[in-house]
Order: sequence, then structure tokens, then C-alpha cells
Amino acid sequence: RKEVEQDPGPFNVPEGATVAFNCTYSNSASQSFFWYRQDCRKEPKLLMSVYSSGNEDGRFTAQLNRASQYISLLIRDSKLSDSATYLCVVLGDNFNKFYFGSGTKLNVKP
Amino acid sequence: NAGVTQTPKFQVLKTGQSMTLQCAQDMNHNSMYWYRQDPGMGLRLIYYSASEGTTDKGEVPNGYNVSRLNKREFSLRLESAAPSQTSVYFCASSLDGGNQPQHFGDGTRLSIL
Repeated sequence: RKEVEQDPGPFNVPEGATVAFNCTYSNSASQSFFWYRQDCRKEPKLLMSVYSSGNEDGRFTAQLNRASQYISLLIRDSKLSDSATYLCVVLGDNFNKFYFGSGTKLNVKP
Repeated sequence: NAGVTQTPKFQVLKTGQSMTLQCAQDMNHNSMYWYRQDPGMGLRLIYYSASEGTTDKGEVPNGYNVSRLNKREFSLRLESAAPSQTSVYFCASSLDGGNQPQHFGDGTRLSIL
């Protein structure tokens, strides 16, 4: 079983739409969670950390559900520039081992 | 604003050749990492270094060695390259691991023929 699982998509949405991705993780002892964004053939870049209480950054909202072991990312008012692959990242019970999901591809269309 | 710098950006090797991928960060981070990314697989941790002078195996260490030369530099060596090591390699660093986010280099695209 993979440590982190994501729906690969693609999610094809029109500009202005709201879209949500989920990511499940297998280790209940995981402590830290992140969403990264990766553009085609580029390096991953941190989008946001995910806190237990949930957090929001502009059009992006991240939530953590420890009971069901998943994190979510909500994007409101999608822009063309949001088209990318979104990576879910979970820190394992080893303080330095991060596990990456294979990513969810988002295509925002005009 | 260099951040994490990887060299080379592209490399083609023949099976059995050796090479070293270089990584340096200028953010005074303690932890450094090497990942490989293959289509549909996500990033997989090869080795990491929690602090200067220490290195540990990640998820897929076989066929690789690393050196944490100093706080800034963390190199990845392929002693005898194999076609299965064709991949995109990313180096990353973070302040102290844990709940600190990672910052990535641009990646090295490596092809083994």
C-alpha cells in the first residue's frame, strides 16, 4: 500500500470554477502535511502547509481530517495559471522522511 | 536568491558509467534530500542528510551513494549507471526537516543508454 495516494486526474475545469482534491495517507502517526504545486518539467514548489485547524491562503483552502486520514485542497475561482500538478506531501513518523503522492493534474480551460 | 542549485541540468550516460550529481544550498538549511521522479510514481526519496556529517537511506537507495560534504553541499553518486536509473533527480533542503517545508532545485534530467 502506498504511503500517500492521490487521484491522478486530470481534472478539467472552466475558469472561475471551484475544484477540490483529496489525498489519503496510510500512517496514522504522520505529523506534517503539505500541498506542493509542480508545473510541467519544473521543480515542485510549496503551495501551502496544512494545519490541524485548516488554513486558507487567498483562493486556496487546505484541510486535514485525521480520523479518516486525508487532506484536501480547495481552489476557488480557478485561473488559467492554476493549471499544474498538485502534489500531496506527508511527513512520516521519521522526522525527515517525506512521502509524496504521485500528483493530481488540473487543467483550467478558458 | 540562488536557493538550491543543482548541476548538471541534463546528462546522458552509457550503462556502467559513473557520475556525481551536485547540489548546493545557500539558505543555511540543516537537512538536505535527494529524490527521483518517474512518470506516475511521484517523488521517491533516495537518501537524506538530517545534518552535516550524517546521511541515511530513503525509500530507494540501491545503486546510489551520497556525501554531505559540508552544510551547503550534498552530492549523489551513481557508481555504475543502469537504464533503470533514467529519471529526473531533485535535490531539496529544509531548515530542520519535520514541519519545515522543503525547497527544491531545478532538477537534473538523467538518461542512461
